[in-house]
Amino acid sequence: EAGVVQSPRYKIIEKKQPVAFWCNPISGHNTLYWYLQNLGQGPELLIRYENEEAVDDSQLPKDRFSAERLKGVDSTLKIQPAELGDSAVYLCASSPSTSSGGANEQFFGPGTRLTVL
Amino acid sequence: GQNIDQPTEMTATEGAIVQINCTYQTSGFNGLFWYQQHAGEAPTFLSYNVLDGLEEKGRFSSFLSRSKGYSYLLLKELQMKDSASYLCAVQDSNYQLIWGAGTKLIIKP
Repeated sequence: EAGVVQSPRYKIIEKKQPVAFWCNPISGHNTLYWYLQNLGQGPELLIRYENEEAVDDSQLPKDRFSAERLKGVDSTLKIQPAELGDSAVYLCASSPSTSSGGANEQFFGPGTRLTVL
Repeated sequence: GQNIDQPTEMTATEGAIVQINCTYQTSGFNGLFWYQQHAGEAPTFLSYNVLDGLEEKGRFSSFLSRSKGYSYLLLKELQMKDSASYLCAVQDSNYQLIWGAGTKLIIKP
C-alpha cells in the first residue's frame, strides 16, 4: 500500500517568491492535514480537511497561505509571497476520519523542506 | 490554554532502559499518542492510550494516568537505532492532535 506522497522534497526560493506544495494522501483516507514543523519542535497544524471541506484553518496565516483539496483527494498548499520565517518542513498527513473516533492514527508523508533566502 | 510538556533531551546507554515522561493540559481528552521521528524523516506512530494503564508492544510500552494528566513511554533493551525524537500528542475534544515539542533521545554505546 502506498503511503502519503509529497512533492517536492526540497525547495529553495528567494523571499517574496511564491511556492506550492502537493500532497496525495493514502487511498480512502478522508482526513488530510497540513503541518509546519520547525527544528526541535513538534508539528503545528495549519489546516485540516474532512473530504473537500476545510474544518479547521484557524492556524493558517490567510494573508499569505492558501490551501485547497479539490475532489477530496490530493491537496496543495501555497505561500505567496514567502518570507524568511517560512523556512521549515511542511508535513502532510492523512487519517481515515476524525469522526470515527478512537485511535485516529495519522500517517505522515516525508515532508517538504522549504528554505527561503 | 493547551499544553504538552516533555523533556527536551535525554541520553541513555545501549542495552539499558529509558522512560520519557509527558504531562498535558488540554481541552478535553480523546487519547494520547506517541510518535517516533528520526532526524530528517516524518513522524511514525508508536502507541495509543485512551484508558489508564500500561500498553506493551515489544520493546516499547506506554502508560497513561488521565487523573494526573501524565504519560510515559518506556523503551527497553535500547538499540542505537532508537536514537530519535519522541513526540507526545494528545487528541482533544475536537479530535485534533495537540503536539509536544518532542524529546531527543541520544543512545551511547
